[in-house]
Amino acid sequence: AQSVTQLGSHVSVSEGALVLLRCNYSSSVPPYLFWYVQYPNQGLQLLLKYTSAATLVKGINGFEAEFKKSETSFHLTKPSAHMSDAAEYFCAVSRMDSSYKLIFGSGTRLLVRP
Amino acid sequence: KAGVTQTPRYLIKTRGQQVTLSCSPISGHRSVSWYQQTPGQGLQFLFEYFSETQRNKGNFPGRFSGRQFSNSRSEMNVSTLELGDSALYLCASHIEGDPLSRELFFGEGSRLTVL
Repeated sequence: AQSVTQLGSHVSVSEGALVLLRCNYSSSVPPYLFWYVQYPNQGLQLLLKYTSAATLVKGINGFEAEFKKSETSFHLTKPSAHMSDAAEYFCAVSRMDSSYKLIFGSGTRLLVRP
Repeated sequence: KAGVTQTPRYLIKTRGQQVTLSCSPISGHRSVSWYQQTPGQGLQFLFEYFSETQRNKGNFPGRFSGRQFSNSRSEMNVSTLELGDSALYLCASHIEGDPLSRELFFGEGSRLTVL
């Protein structure tokens, strides 16, 4: 069975500081991995995805993530936080089969202090 | 290009009633998925449809049902509502066929409150 663990339900950073949101997955087979962002009263928007190509994945809004198989991790980073990055971030995993079903982590709310 | 449209955006029901939520996918997308989002359980998969066929189903009771029409629009129904069904219900659509895409496009959700 697949699962996703996001460490830290809340992360607070200062504007301009490094953002690091942690995600670890469990999967018996190589998975697809995703990071989605959710702003208040909105749906989810894809930030980036790992689909077995490059292990360092660059996404929108300056975010990137590195797939580390040995650590079963897919942490999300951004060198310099902006106020507009304040949102909830979800890591998700899916199997490499015909289903697009996503299994989500519990989410991390990012707070950006001025 | 219009995004995923969900209606209604907000609704209030009482226990024991039933509710139907609607989702119109992005034009050209033939696959639709539904997710339930609650503060306690987070985001949980409900159903996945492709070409009017349910391809996958999450671990929800039989009170939760769905369907997809020939124009790819989808509906989900919850019967005999319980307080715990209060949630944001998210619909997502995607394009089939590209194994490297895998992107789901989400609507803004239907927020259901059960009193």
